[in-house]
Amino acid sequence: GQQLNQSPQSMFIQEGEDVSMNCTSSSIFNTWLWYKQEPGEGPVLLIALYKAGELTSNGRLTAQFGITRKDSFLNISASIPSDVGIYFCAGPMRNQGGKLIFGQGTELSVKP
Amino acid sequence: EAQVTQNPRYLITVTGKKLTVTCSQNMNHEYMSWYRQDPGLGLRQIYYSMNVEVTDKGDVPEGYKVSRKEKRNFPLILESPSPNQTSLYFCASSKGGYNYGYTFGSGTRLTVV
Repeated sequence: GQQLNQSPQSMFIQEGEDVSMNCTSSSIFNTWLWYKQEPGEGPVLLIALYKAGELTSNGRLTAQFGITRKDSFLNISASIPSDVGIYFCAGPMRNQGGKLIFGQGTELSVKP
Repeated sequence: EAQVTQNPRYLITVTGKKLTVTCSQNMNHEYMSWYRQDPGLGLRQIYYSMNVEVTDKGDVPEGYKVSRKEKRNFPLILESPSPNQTSLYFCASSKGGYNYGYTFGSGTRLTVV
């Protein structure tokens, strides 16, 4: 089936560093969503992107909708320990209502 | 508080013993969905529902059943659980389909022995 490929799979960084991760697909998406999952909890929506080229921020997080519509990027600036978690990209299958597929996730660890 | 509530949070069961995981949302959302999460595989959609009595298969529906008799509830049924269904399960709901994303519950960790 359709897949979203995230990279990197994991990151170990020092507090204060910037973080970049991306998500790619072989198909075009009209919406890109970025979620964060903290240990023991369900994923929480961080940012939603609806237009190719769109750049949207949520605090220290910035996400971009790739112009090819086959990729998206998430950046975190000046990371802090509470940024720890798994970050997922997600995209809806075209013409399939509530079917939303997820990437495999990028696990972020931040060393104080 | 607006939320998606799943029960139970943890469940250990034996192969073949039917079980139901309940899910309820208090946001009057039309869309609801079940996902399973396994290491290295991310979240995979099991079933979703676009409204009462309207359900459709996700990517991994085998071995699961769902029903949507009321707008707020969307239970997941495992008629004959097997060890390969050991996983972390999430229920989610959305106000308007994929464009708004899903709000997730806190998860149910199921172990089938």
